[in-house]
Amino acid sequence: EAQVTQNPRYLITVTGKKLTVTCSQNMNHEYMSWYRQDPGLGLRQIYYSMNVEVTDKGDVPEGYKVSRKEKRNFPLILESPSPNQTSLYFCASSLSSGQATEAFFGQGTRLTVV
Amino acid sequence: GEDVEQSLFLSVREGDSSVINCTYTDSSSTYLYWYKQEPGAGLQLLTYIFSNMDMKQDQRLTVLLNKKDKHLSLRIADTQTGDSAIYFCAELNQAGTALIFGKGTTLSVSS
Repeated sequence: EAQVTQNPRYLITVTGKKLTVTCSQNMNHEYMSWYRQDPGLGLRQIYYSMNVEVTDKGDVPEGYKVSRKEKRNFPLILESPSPNQTSLYFCASSLSSGQATEAFFGQGTRLTVV
Repeated sequence: GEDVEQSLFLSVREGDSSVINCTYTDSSSTYLYWYKQEPGAGLQLLTYIFSNMDMKQDQRLTVLLNKKDKHLSLRIADTQTGDSAIYFCAELNQAGTALIFGKGTTLSVSS
């Protein structure tokens, strides 16, 4: 079954404690992306990756890092989480960017930073 | 910059048609999308339309695009309680690297 898998689904952490949200896709997609969803703001892109070792900033990259060492994985790293990073995070992948290819979304990770 | 606006709430009765509206600012948008988000789930692509089309129909879904007014709508015929969800309008940004989402329209269907 084609899917994007994020872990964990729910996470409560304390300010400053480094964390990683994993994202894995089994569709051999080149393009992967991270979004955050906040009430009243919709979804905003954090980072994206066009292929292995190719990553770039989206609209709201501050406080986040990513890496793309393998095609299937695209982890989101919060080196020093702060309460304003409390949000619902989605990973997405698609065959390529810039075309009408379907973007597959993960189930989401609800992060709370206290 | 690129921006997408949509109404926040829509309430309809089961069996009626639902129409969700969206406006966008980037006239060079090539692709426009409708996504559905059910509670506790990720986003699911419902349909998309290419900018050189005026209309696209897919079973109960009809998408209308008015490029002159930069207006996109999603019509759901014979709305069912299972259609209750948040619907997001999105456009592909100019660089082709991100989807620009509206804030989402919560559709509530009552029986």
